[in-house]
Amino acid sequence: DVKVTQSSRYLVKRTGEKVFLECVQDMDHENMFWYRQDPGLGLRLIYFSYDVKMKEKGDIPEGYSVSREKKERFSLILESASTNQTSMYLCASSLGTGERGYTFGSGTRLTVV
Amino acid sequence: GNSVTQMEGPVTLSEEAFLTINCTYTATGYPSLFWYVQYPGEGLQLLLKATKADDKGSNKGFEATYRKETTSFHLEKGSVQVSDSAVYFCALKETGNQFYFGTGTSLTVIP
Repeated sequence: DVKVTQSSRYLVKRTGEKVFLECVQDMDHENMFWYRQDPGLGLRLIYFSYDVKMKEKGDIPEGYSVSREKKERFSLILESASTNQTSMYLCASSLGTGERGYTFGSGTRLTVV
Repeated sequence: GNSVTQMEGPVTLSEEAFLTINCTYTATGYPSLFWYVQYPGEGLQLLLKATKADDKGSNKGFEATYRKETTSFHLEKGSVQVSDSAVYFCALKETGNQFYFGTGTSLTVIP
């Protein structure tokens, strides 16, 4: 069964810490995405990547960066965590033009205290 | 630009009731349309899709018809079960790989 795996289900970090959220897919998908999910706001795109070492800003990239050194891994980095980055983070991947839809990971619920 | 508008939730239904969750979209071209479902504590899963006007997507008793004239893709199920309790997201994809999601509609089905 195809999978997108996010390294942590729950994470608690302190304000100002540098935080790494890891996402790995085993489907050889070219495209990978990071969203955050907040009540009433739905899913908002943070960053995405269509290829190794390539990245594009989504709708809310401020305070985040990403890394894609290998095709299967897409990391989201919170340079200096703040309380307003407390959220559910969802990683997704897709193949080609994306017509088959995204495959999502189970999510990481991050709390910044 | 592209956007998706879903009916506000939460929605609470009794088991075996009929379900409709409204979804309308705005797009500059001819998008593909999707419904995703998120069960408690999990990521989103693709439920069904339609890629062109008048297509009907269906899965697990759910169905939705791509209506270009009303720019809608409403989700329906004839008889809901407790196990259908989840959050449902409507989404569109136009050219390129990026999806645009609605805000989600929470459904609770009570026995």
